[in-house]
Amino acid sequence: QVQLQESGPGLVKPSDTLSLSCVVSGYFISSSNWWGWIRQPPGKGLEWIGYIDYRGNIHYNQSLKSRLTMSIDTSRNQLSLRLSSVTAMDTAVYFCARMLRFGSFDYWGPGRLVSVSS
Amino acid sequence: DIQMTQSPSSLSASVGDRVTITCQASQDIDKYLNWYQQKPGKAPKLLIYGASNLERGVPSRFSGSGSGTNFVFTISGLQPEDFATYYCQHYDNLPPGFTFGPGTKVDFK
Repeated sequence: QVQLQESGPGLVKPSDTLSLSCVVSGYFISSSNWWGWIRQPPGKGLEWIGYIDYRGNIHYNQSLKSRLTMSIDTSRNQLSLRLSSVTAMDTAVYFCARMLRFGSFDYWGPGRLVSVSS
Repeated sequence: DIQMTQSPSSLSASVGDRVTITCQASQDIDKYLNWYQQKPGKAPKLLIYGASNLERGVPSRFSGSGSGTNFVFTISGLQPEDFATYYCQHYDNLPPGFTFGPGTKVDFK
């Protein structure tokens, strides 16, 4: 059973850096898959952040690219996300997910709510 | 960039109803279109991938069709657990990225 679990601070101050991890269990992250980050502001729709493969190839959402860093650690079977210079607009539930056929996301973490506030 | 429009934005239905949601792409996306169900406080759940393929474990009352620019998602016989928000999602590799539709909220009539 593939499981993903996001973790990280739930409250970040404006202008600081948001850091999240996503641990994958039941599946080797080094298998040939892409892994994605998606976020959802409270009461709003879904926005993709970026996706990364086990070799570290990365594609970022252009609107976030200048502030984003994603990485993958195959030894720990986990993904990481860092978003710098955050504002209240970055308040959202952040999800990690496994990408599969036709660019679909078949397994998701439960999500981590990150609030940006002083 | 490809734009995805989804309609309706919300609908009210009763148990047993047939529900149809449409998703339209601003240009040809072949069959790179997926459908998700999301309940409050939960992660989205993949229902349909590649426009018409039912994800394993998903009840057969859910179906999808279409290709190119016009896609349809259908629930044949709405069940109480189906009241949720539904999203279409497109993947493109040129340039690489995803686009989610704005969502359709299905609530109880």
